[in-house]
Amino acid sequence: AQSVTQLGSHVSVSEGALVLLRCNYSSSVPPYLFWYVQYPNQGLQLLLKYTTGATLVKGINGFEAEFKKSETSFHLTKPSAHMSDAAEYFCAVSSLRANSGYALNFGKGTSLLVTP
Amino acid sequence: SQTIHQWPATLVQPVGSPLSLECTVEGTSNPNLYWYRQAAGRGLQLLFYSVGIGQISSEVPQNLSASRPQDRQFILSSKKLLLSDSGFYLCAWNGGGNQPQHFGDGTRLSIL
Repeated sequence: AQSVTQLGSHVSVSEGALVLLRCNYSSSVPPYLFWYVQYPNQGLQLLLKYTTGATLVKGINGFEAEFKKSETSFHLTKPSAHMSDAAEYFCAVSSLRANSGYALNFGKGTSLLVTP
Repeated sequence: SQTIHQWPATLVQPVGSPLSLECTVEGTSNPNLYWYRQAAGRGLQLLFYSVGIGQISSEVPQNLSASRPQDRQFILSSKKLLLSDSGFYLCAWNGGGNQPQHFGDGTRLSIL
């Protein structure tokens, strides 16, 4: 079964500093990987996705992630943090279920704090 | 464009009472539909998914059930709520396969 592990349940950065949120995956097949962001009391918003092809994926709000097969990683980065980036971030991998359905296996999330 | 609606946004229910949460999708047909629960500090857990009308797959044994009476309607139910059913419930849809899932705004359920 496919799974992801997010290293660090809380990450704190200064405004303007580099954001790095770590995600490692486990998959016996080529993975489909996703990053989502969740603001308080809201649903999840898709930041970016990796399916096939280019390993550096650009998403919304200046975020990007690089798929590294050799390291089984899909870390999320942003060159310069904004106060508005403070939120919960989830890494997820698509996993085949019974009845040919697919669903997402999520990591436990990383809470990003941005300080002035 | 496609949109997904969940209601209610918040709900406070006593232990032992019934539950019905509704999710509808607009602007697409034959979506795959999903119910997740998010408990504090535990990430998201898939509860049910559906690939078509009347087709429900359950991920974990629990006190909840799901139904899909119409193509774009997904309902989460319980006959008798438990304290452990508290959480943030999220509905999602996609066009099938490994396509990204799109989430509703969630329902915050508190059991007293």
